[in-house]
Order: sequence, then structure tokens, then C-alpha cells
Amino acid sequence: KQEVTQIPAALSVPEGENLVLNCSFTDSAIYNLQWFRQDPGKGLTSLLLIQSSQREQTSGRLNASLDKSSGRSTLYIAASQPGDSATYLCAVRLGGSQGNLIFGKGTKLSVKP
Amino acid sequence: DVKVTQSSRYLVKRTGEKVFLECVQDMDHENMFWYRQDPGLGLRLIYFSYDVKMKEKGDIPEGYSVSREKKERFSLILESASTNQTSMYLCASGGTGGYQPQHFGDGTRLSIL
Repeated sequence: KQEVTQIPAALSVPEGENLVLNCSFTDSAIYNLQWFRQDPGKGLTSLLLIQSSQREQTSGRLNASLDKSSGRSTLYIAASQPGDSATYLCAVRLGGSQGNLIFGKGTKLSVKP
Repeated sequence: DVKVTQSSRYLVKRTGEKVFLECVQDMDHENMFWYRQDPGLGLRLIYFSYDVKMKEKGDIPEGYSVSREKKERFSLILESASTNQTSMYLCASGGTGGYQPQHFGDGTRLSIL
């Protein structure tokens, strides 16, 4: 059974720091991997999607990488800002599935001014 | 922009009531999903649908049913609400292609008293 793990569960950094969030999954037969952001009491906002054949995707200050063979993905946030404070979730879509995602429990990020 | 709209942000119901949560998407997506999110447990899939009138059970379908009469609308039904169904409910939609991200609504915070 696919399991998705995110470490650390919480992270606090000073503004301006570059940081890396980690996501690991147990079954490498994935279709894609998606990173989301969730603000308190809100829904999920899609940040980046990496297809299984890709190694990385970039959007602004965000860069996500995927190493399918080792079951790992990282989300790199450059020059962090207080507005980046949120919970970041990664999710994998299994190959052959109808699109349902398996989620990690998230990393709660706090960026201090 | 993709829009997934959940009918209520907050809802309070009584034990034993039949509860309807509505979700509408405007992107002509084939797939729609209902998740619940609980502290410490993360997001768990309740039901999903890959076409009109089609449905599949997710990981925790007990006590729930769904309805998809039109492509854009996916309803979650709590047949007889119980206090352990107090949770944040999130609806999502997505296309079938591996390059298509899943998009979420703002969530419904449901309290069963």
C-alpha cells in the first residue's frame, strides 16, 4: 500500500532563508506527484505538478524535484517570505488509478519576519 | 482559472439528520472527489466519480453516499449524521491526463452536534 511521508512536520525559519521540504513515497509506480499549499481553515491550492517522466518543475520562487527510483520529492522555496507561511502537502497519484491522490500529512511552515 | 465551489463554508447539523454537501466545478473535468481532513490523520478519500452516474468507494466510505447526476456537480450525502463525522470536507476535480493537476474547493467545516 502506498504511503507518503513528509518530514519535518513543522519548520520555522527567518525571512529570506532558502528552504527545502521533503516528501517520500513507498511505491515508485506513480503517475504524478503534486505539491499543494493550505492556509488555515482553507482548501488546498495546487502549486506544482510533476509527471512521472519529469525530474523537476519550477514556478516563481518554487522548484519541485522528483526522484522516482528513490521515492523522493523535494520542494525548494527560495528567499522565503512571511506570506509563505502555510502547510505544504505533497500527494501522489498512483499509476492506473482514476486520479485519486494519496497525501502526506504535511509540513507546517512558519516564516518569521 | 479552475473553479471548484462548495456550497457552504460552515455547517452545523444535529445527530441523525441527513446532510447534503454540494460541489460544482466549471472545468468540464471527468473526475471528482470527496475527501475529509482531520488533525493527525491528514486527507482521506471518501468517494470519487470518474463519470456521470459512476462512483467508486475510497478509503472511508462508511456512513456516506454520493450522487453525480451532472458532470459538473458531485454531492456528498451523510445518510444519518453522527458526531464522528464532524470534520473538514474537501471536494476536488481533475482531468484524466497525468499532466492535469487536481483542484480543490475551499472546504466545508461540518459540525455534528
